[in-house]
Amino acid sequence: AQTVTQSQPEMSVQEAETVTLSCTYDTSESDYYLFWYKQPPSRQMILVIRQEAYKQQNATENRFSVNFQKAAKSFSLKISDSQLGDAAMYFCAIGGAQKLVFGQGTRLTINP
Amino acid sequence: DGGITQSPKYLFRKEGQNVTLSCEQNLNHDAMYWYRQDPGQGLRLIYYSQIVNDFQKGDIAEGYSVSREKKESFPLTVTSAQKNPTAFYLCASSMRRLLGSYNEQFFGPGTRLTVL
Repeated sequence: AQTVTQSQPEMSVQEAETVTLSCTYDTSESDYYLFWYKQPPSRQMILVIRQEAYKQQNATENRFSVNFQKAAKSFSLKISDSQLGDAAMYFCAIGGAQKLVFGQGTRLTINP
Repeated sequence: DGGITQSPKYLFRKEGQNVTLSCEQNLNHDAMYWYRQDPGQGLRLIYYSQIVNDFQKGDIAEGYSVSREKKESFPLTVTSAQKNPTAFYLCASSMRRLLGSYNEQFFGPGTRLTVL
């Protein structure tokens, strides 16, 4: 079975600052992918970034980057230059052979 | 425009009634999924289907049923056996997973079900 744990129910950051959201996971599969999804108040799920477990290089997408520590089974998301539009629920997820397993989410608030 | 549609956006049900939530996609995706979202619990998988006429139970399938008669459609029925059906329901779809590829899931806008 796969599990995902997000230990920070809520986080806040000042606009233009940097924030890191934590995620740890457990899996017995050797071939898997990790994802961060964003859910704004509209409740539409949006893929932010993905990481292939077999790649050592950390994924980046503009202001979003991950710190993937495979041995520690850790997959944190760093948001640089935070913007008001980044305010949302953020979900970490692991994808194995057939399905995704999500963490419980972190609510991110951006303070102007 | 390609995408996933869910209807209705809001749904009200009396206790003891079955209700069906619609999910349609025109992305030509093989796989489709149903998730339930409750406050503070993230997304939990109800059912998923990798191909037409085949589906598997997820983590919380009790009290739910699905069908997959067409590639583009994956309706979810919430039966009277579901004890606490009030929740937000999300449908998703993805390409069928091939070895070495990733299965990004695309989500619909969701249906809010309230039991009166």
